Amino acid sequence: NAGVTQTPKFRILKIGQSMTLQCAQDMNHNYMYWYRQDPGMGLKLIYYSVGAGITDKGEVPNGYNVSRSTTEDFPLRLELAAPSQTSVYFCASSYRRRGRYTEAFFGQGTRLTVV
Amino acid sequence: GQQLNQSPQSMFIQEGEDVSMNCTSSSIFNTWLWYKQDPGEGPVLLIALYKAGELTSNGRLTAQFGITRKDSFLNISASIPSDVGIYFCAGRESGGGADGLTFGKGTHLIIQP
Repeated sequence: NAGVTQTPKFRILKIGQSMTLQCAQDMNHNYMYWYRQDPGMGLKLIYYSVGAGITDKGEVPNGYNVSRSTTEDFPLRLELAAPSQTSVYFCASSYRRRGRYTEAFFGQGTRLTVV
Repeated sequence: GQQLNQSPQSMFIQEGEDVSMNCTSSSIFNTWLWYKQDPGEGPVLLIALYKAGELTSNGRLTAQFGITRKDSFLNISASIPSDVGIYFCAGRESGGGADGLTFGKGTHLIIQP
């Protein structure tokens, strides 16, 4: 059981480049999330999705976009990379429906450096 | 956004010692979570608390949901080398949307030989 899988694990981007961070989960979770973690800080929510076709902004969405075409996948897109987006990105998923729920399971993270 | 104060920021302890850390918030939460993050890994849920006053254990770990609903505590007894890592608290407000989680900045636990 793979859980939440993120790719790539590491990436270096030049300013202005774009890239997509991939996230897939195999637990049939309906909720998925993207967080960023800066040194010495807690996790900040970027975007989340409550199901396929539905996405919404979190606390720090500027500079990012997401899509959720399937239950399993929740890619995060950076269109014009900036140094301020240097961070570790975590994808997570959880299940919530009719009073049944799990807390979030996290992937291993993608460490992104923008130079 | 909501503020979560987690302390201490870091702890240097000897193997075998007990550890205590806590989080306080500026608002009332209906859920408190404690996660551990190992180097190069994502956070892993240790303990979840859903009721004020609740005391829950997971092996050598014990966490409590404060009566005021604005704080939570995590204790680790008889620390061992594999306890090293960063411990995060997270709280969720009542009606806190799809996620509604606010994370603390973490407590970095270092165990000295």
